[in-house]
Amino acid sequence: AQTVTQSQPEMSVQEAETVTLSCTYDTSESDYYLFWYKQPPSRQMILVIRQEAYKQQNATENRFSVNFQKAAKSFSLKISDSQLGDAAMYFCAYVLNNNDMRFGAGTRLTVKP
Amino acid sequence: GAVVSQHPSRVICKSGTSVKIECRSLDFQATTMFWYRQFPKKSLMLMATSNEGSKATYEQGVEKDKFLINHASLTLSTLTVTSAHPEDSSFYICSARDWGQGIGGYTFGSGTRLTVV
Repeated sequence: AQTVTQSQPEMSVQEAETVTLSCTYDTSESDYYLFWYKQPPSRQMILVIRQEAYKQQNATENRFSVNFQKAAKSFSLKISDSQLGDAAMYFCAYVLNNNDMRFGAGTRLTVKP
Repeated sequence: GAVVSQHPSRVICKSGTSVKIECRSLDFQATTMFWYRQFPKKSLMLMATSNEGSKATYEQGVEKDKFLINHASLTLSTLTVTSAHPEDSSFYICSARDWGQGIGGYTFGSGTRLTVV
């Protein structure tokens, strides 16, 4: 079965510091896409960053970047200069063969002022 | 950007009644939509994939007779929870695929909190 694993149920970071959220996945497919979504208390799903598996270069979006290790099937999210507004649930997700999106269990991020 | 409207945002219904949730793509045609269920402090679990003009594909363990999905147009998919019971209380989220945006084109609705009393 295809799975996405987020081993950190909760993480905490000091404001302005850097935090890394881990995600591993298991698939035998070669064509897939990886995502990080943020879900604040409003429960609206917000796309943070995405990565195509065929691309070796790690995706970056402002303060958010990923460390994509295809051989290790790892896709971690690094948040730099953490802000209070970054506090939320973060979900790692993947899409296989341009089909449906599957999510990990999530990591709750707390940002301390 | 792409917007998906989901209604209602909250609904309370009596046990045994049915409730319909709408998911509408406002500025793009969504040939494919997805329905998720999320329990408190848990992840999103895919319930079914709906394709315009065809029957929905349900995930294993999801009762298709209880969770009726209709995707009759390119902009609207509906989820009807039939004969609802308290255990159906949950947060339901839809997602629509905007093929025009390429691989990043998954847009989520704002969700529906269903409470069955």
